[in-house]
Amino acid sequence: GAGVSQSPSNKVTEKGKDVELRCDPISGHTALYWYRQRLGQGLEFLIYFQGNSAPDKSGLPSDRFSAERTGESVSTLTIQRTQQEDSAVYLCASSPSLSGLVYGYTFGSGTRLTVV
Amino acid sequence: KNEVEQSPQNLTAQEGEFITINCSYSVGISALHWLQQHPGGGIVSLFMLSSGKKKHGRLIATINIQEKHSSLHITASHPRDSAVYICAVRSRNTDKLIFGTGTRLQVFP
Repeated sequence: GAGVSQSPSNKVTEKGKDVELRCDPISGHTALYWYRQRLGQGLEFLIYFQGNSAPDKSGLPSDRFSAERTGESVSTLTIQRTQQEDSAVYLCASSPSLSGLVYGYTFGSGTRLTVV
Repeated sequence: KNEVEQSPQNLTAQEGEFITINCSYSVGISALHWLQQHPGGGIVSLFMLSSGKKKHGRLIATINIQEKHSSLHITASHPRDSAVYICAVRSRNTDKLIFGTGTRLQVFP
């Protein structure tokens, strides 16, 4: 597709369950980012994939969070044993990033996760 | 202190007013972005700047690299401009985006 696609758009889960969120970036975009936005708060960086380099996981809030990316395509963000504080909109963005060069970002529409 | 500071945090305006939102940052950057987030949560990239000024319709964005400051201006504001405007800088060292906390704009008819 033309944009960044995220699925599901909404997810309601019970506390303690695992969830998996998916992001399909724009074809050819080597950089992929996951962000989180809790209600009424700003955007928080979670993890960053750049080509075949090791991902930057410095933003992941706990070891319950993990993410993978298959080559330069789909990425999945997994949250294990969900807690109520995990409730947020999870946003994915991609960019045709190359080291030293500057490109824009395209955001997906997000997955709204509600942990009950 | 946040690495990216926006002001004001909240802004209300009457339709037709000229609006300015400011962004200051403290890190070395390769680019600065202005984003718009609508009440439904969707984020739209408005501008990417590394120097000077850009204009798109009623929106104007400027950046002063020496002063580490950027402004977003909206001319002839309209209720549909009501949204959260977010400044984000791309760190030259880490390549990550660092976000400001956003400015919530409400434009009343």
